[in-house]
Amino acid sequence: EVQLLESGGNLVQPGGSLRLSCAASGFTFSNYAVSWVRQAPGKGLEWVSVISGSGGSTYYADSVKGRFTISRDSSKNTLYLQMNSLRAEDTALYYCAKANGDYGTHFDYWGQGTLVTVSS
Amino acid sequence: SYELTQPPSVSVSPGQTASITCSGDKLGDKYASWYQQKPGQAPVLVIYEDSQRPSGIPERFSGSNSGNTATLTISGTQAMDEADYYCQAWDSSTVVFGGGTKLTVL
Repeated sequence: EVQLLESGGNLVQPGGSLRLSCAASGFTFSNYAVSWVRQAPGKGLEWVSVISGSGGSTYYADSVKGRFTISRDSSKNTLYLQMNSLRAEDTALYYCAKANGDYGTHFDYWGQGTLVTVSS
Repeated sequence: SYELTQPPSVSVSPGQTASITCSGDKLGDKYASWYQQKPGQAPVLVIYEDSQRPSGIPERFSGSNSGNTATLTISGTQAMDEADYYCQAWDSSTVVFGGGTKLTVL
């Protein structure tokens, strides 16, 4: 059974940093791209970043480019999101989602999310 | 940047057919996917690659994609289908979601 378990969400001040983790199980982690998708309170889904199965390719939404870094550790079956220079508008529930292939066309499994609140 | 546009809300009577559209420039040249999200829950994939249903998704869910519009159709809509629905596509190595449509089953 595929499982994705996010952690690391917290209350952080504007300008601060936070690292999110997503522990994956139930599939061969290195064979699939994985992504971070966020959802601000009461708002829609917003794609944040994606990393290929090998980790060699990474892509970011313009809203986080230069501030967030996605990475993965296949030895630990874990996806990460390092978030720096956080802003109030980064407040959201952050989901990790597994793609259907090394790059993929869609996300077939999602975690339950971890909440990031940016506030003074 | 690429955008996908959905109607904010759609209403349907139980047992009737609901159609939710998703519009984007030459969207028919890309694969469209659809996700269902109920309050307090993570999104669930209901349609992928325009018209494919994942295992466990009822047959009443179907999809199409042509020209600039992808459509999610729910036939014989049930009360349990009331949820937010999001379309998604890839464009130039980035992922795009539509703004979401709240489906109300009256």
